[in-house]
Amino acid sequence: GAVVSQHPSWVICKSGTSVKIECRSLDFQATTMFWYRQFPKQSLMLMATSNEGSKATYEQGVEKDKFLINHASLTLSTLTVTSAHPEDSSFYICSARSSLLGGYTFGSGTRLTVV
Amino acid sequence: AQTVTQSQPEMSVQEAETVTLSCTYDTSESDYYLFWYKQPPSRQMILVIRQEAYKQQNATENRFSVNFQKAAKSFSLKISDSQLGDAAMYFCALRTDKLVFGAGTILRVKS
Repeated sequence: GAVVSQHPSWVICKSGTSVKIECRSLDFQATTMFWYRQFPKQSLMLMATSNEGSKATYEQGVEKDKFLINHASLTLSTLTVTSAHPEDSSFYICSARSSLLGGYTFGSGTRLTVV
Repeated sequence: AQTVTQSQPEMSVQEAETVTLSCTYDTSESDYYLFWYKQPPSRQMILVIRQEAYKQQNATENRFSVNFQKAAKSFSLKISDSQLGDAAMYFCALRTDKLVFGAGTILRVKS
């Protein structure tokens, strides 16, 4: 079945530094990638949608200069949290969609802690 | 805009019993899909069941079934013969051009 590999699974970084999270579709081409943020015991909040080769579309209230999304190939999308602050600490999940397969395949998530 | 509402923050069920999780949604689109996802403590999202809006027949996957009431914009999940492994957070989701989730329902299974 379709698999999305998300790395790292957890990361701790210092305030002011940047962190990159990668999502790779291993056996299919992800034409669209969705990035979500989830606080403990809460829902997944959509941050942005990216299509391969295009600029990401950000949801209202999400700072595009802080959460940089790149989807340069059909198998790789990255989310970079720039100048991280403790309030950016959260669980980030990617979800890939293939125009051929349909459906959504989720990565295993990244727990980010900013200290 | 589309919204998904899950009004039950927590539910409990006795092992082997049946439980129903509620979900209502709102969208102006005529073409959409509805999903139930399970998120266990590992936090990996697992697809439980999906329903195409154009299909009148309710989807069924083994012990999981839905009651899809399109006019009422209701999409409930019924879990039959509940098992300890069913304990998790359950999310209802609506897909139009993007996938939007409800707030989730924590399901506890008592042995």
